[in-house]
Amino acid sequence: GAVVSQHPSRVICKSGTSVKIECRSLDFQATTMFWYRQFPKQSLMLMATSNEGSKATYEQGVEKDKFLINHASLTLSTLTVTSAHPEDSSFYICSARSVGLQETQYFGPGTRLLVL
Amino acid sequence: GDSVTQMEGPVTLSEEAFLTINCTYTATGYPSLFWYVQYPGEGLQLLLKATKADDKGSNKGFEATYRKETTSFHLEKGSVQVSDSAVYFCALPSGSARQLTFGSGTQLTVLP
Repeated sequence: GAVVSQHPSRVICKSGTSVKIECRSLDFQATTMFWYRQFPKQSLMLMATSNEGSKATYEQGVEKDKFLINHASLTLSTLTVTSAHPEDSSFYICSARSVGLQETQYFGPGTRLLVL
Repeated sequence: GDSVTQMEGPVTLSEEAFLTINCTYTATGYPSLFWYVQYPGEGLQLLLKATKADDKGSNKGFEATYRKETTSFHLEKGSVQVSDSAVYFCALPSGSARQLTFGSGTQLTVLP
C-alpha cells in the first residue's frame, strides 16, 4: 500500500519558537495533502488542505499565519507552527492522496508536539 | 452537509468474541466509504474500503458492506484478538476537495 512518512515523530520546544513538521509520500505522487490535528480521545480535526504548487485552503478557525503550510512538490508538504504556545501542543497528522488512488487518503504516523 | 455517525464507545470484548461497530452516514450521492484504525500513539491506517453500493470491503478478518438502503457501513469481525485493540474511525470523502469526514471514533479493547 501507499506509504506516508512524517518527521519528526515527537518534538518538544519552548514557547515562542517555531516548529516544522514534514510529510512525505514515499511511493506515490500526492496531488493533495491534508493536515489534521487530534486532541486526546477525540476524532481528527481538519486544519487545511493543500494542493501541490498552490496555496493551502484553511478550515474555519485555523489561523493561516500561525500554521504555515507549504506543498512545494508532489511528495512533500510541510506544516510550520510559528511562535508555538502550550495550547498548540497536540498530535498532528498528515494524509496524502493521489488521483489514481480513488479518493483514498493515506496517513502519516503523526507528530506529537509538546510546547513548554 | 455530509456526516458520519458512529457507535459510541468504548467497547470492551473478550478475545474471540464477535465485533460489530455501527456506522451510518448522510451524504449526497454515493461516496466511497472507509474504515480506518488507529493504534495507540500512531497515525491512521486504512483498514478497508468500499467504493459503491453493495460492495464488501475486507481486510485482516474485518468486513463492512456498503448498504445504501440503510445508509450504513457497519464494521464486523467474527473473532477479535487482543491485537485488535485500537480506535476505529468510519469516514467518507466530502466537500470540494473530497476531504474525509470522520465519525467520532470507537475505542475497542479486547481482553485476553
